[in-house]
Amino acid sequence: EVQLVESGGGLVQPGGSLRLSCSMTGLSLRGCHMNWVRQAPGRGLEWVSYIGSGGNIYYADSVNGRFTISRDNDKNSLYLQMNTLRADDTAVYYCVRDQDYAFQSWGQGTLVAVSS
Amino acid sequence: QSALTQPASVSGSPGQSITISCTGTSSDVGNYNLVSWYQQYPGKAPELVIYEVNKRPSGISNRFSGSKSGNTASLTISGLQGEDEADYYCCSFAGGGISWVFGGGTKLTVL
Repeated sequence: EVQLVESGGGLVQPGGSLRLSCSMTGLSLRGCHMNWVRQAPGRGLEWVSYIGSGGNIYYADSVNGRFTISRDNDKNSLYLQMNTLRADDTAVYYCVRDQDYAFQSWGQGTLVAVSS
Repeated sequence: QSALTQPASVSGSPGQSITISCTGTSSDVGNYNLVSWYQQYPGKAPELVIYEVNKRPSGISNRFSGSKSGNTASLTISGLQGEDEADYYCCSFAGGGISWVFGGGTKLTVL
């Protein structure tokens, strides 16, 4: 069974930075397409970023230029470096494996709160 | 990309069927047979219930079905059960390289 565990969330001031990590077990990350999806408190889901098994990368317009997705296949881990954080980045961030153009496996999420 | 449009809430009695609509544009729902649906309980991560418009992942009840016509996709849940009470989100591939757009979510209440 695939398990995804996020870490690295917390409280950060506006303009600050945070790095999220996601550890995968039960499957090799090497062949997986991975994403970050977020959910603001009481709100809906928002796709944030994608990194393919071949390394191609895409971002939502709302985070492009501020967030950087990366992966370490040897460590079976996915990362999201978040810079210049804003209040509207406050959300639970989910690490998600996609297959067949659908989000098949989700982590439990890690909360990022941006506030002074 | 604008969010897909879903009704904020739907309700039904046990045993009944309900349908949740998801309206996009010709750039997303209308252009790709890559609509998926997710069930989310409060405080939990979403779970995939339908992918590629009408396919069910292993372990998902056949009471869940999906369809699409033009720019609108639909999720139907038949034989409603109390455990179906949850939030449901649609999602469509939106091209532009790789991007996805979600609906705003629908709260299903089982009366």
